[in-house]
Amino acid sequence: DQQVKQNSPSLSVQEGRISILNCDYTNSMFDYFLWYKKYPAEGPTFLISISSIKDKNEDGRFTVFLNKSAKHLSLHIVPSQPGDSAVYFCAASARGADGLTFGKGTHLIIQP
Amino acid sequence: DTAVSQTPKYLVTQMGNDKSIKCEQNLGHDTMYWYKQDSKKFLKIMFSYNNKELIINETVPNRFSPKSPDKAHLNLHINSLELGDSAVYFCASSLVVNSPLHFGNGTRLTVT
Repeated sequence: DQQVKQNSPSLSVQEGRISILNCDYTNSMFDYFLWYKKYPAEGPTFLISISSIKDKNEDGRFTVFLNKSAKHLSLHIVPSQPGDSAVYFCAASARGADGLTFGKGTHLIIQP
Repeated sequence: DTAVSQTPKYLVTQMGNDKSIKCEQNLGHDTMYWYKQDSKKFLKIMFSYNNKELIINETVPNRFSPKSPDKAHLNLHINSLELGDSAVYFCASSLVVNSPLHFGNGTRLTVT
């Protein structure tokens, strides 16, 4: 039972353009959402997070949007750079619960 | 300095053997975790320790036993290894429960 879904296994974007990665969740108890970035042979690295009391959080080139009614969040990267090529994991947690529930990841490829 | 370090990076062993994976964090975090990334690329939580107490244990076989000698270490011991245990195992830590996780670089376990 996938509570966090990333339906696009891969995404290819031209350098300089906007990358939009999507994530859907089913558990209405989730109240904290995170995005992680992972390079091959390395562990996931925390990128950005958002609490359910907000609908947007921005950090430099990265912006996360949360639509609670649709149980959907997205990560926008603009402008996309070659170093952004990696696997991006969406994760969520519920208050009072321990640990994060991860999606399957989306492999972002930035083309020159 | 590596914040979360785990050893070994690669581990190849035969079915039925017992093996351990070590993890250390120098971030002063209170909570440590073990995650498993299987062949389908899902990252699933196995255990977490908060101040040396096990606080969650998902449906993991009791052949897997976490050992935490102190707050900075959480080792994973696996008895009677099976083919299905082949995966990448990630150690992680967080300042408090449900704050962003910091991951190690993973241990790729191959059981033959």
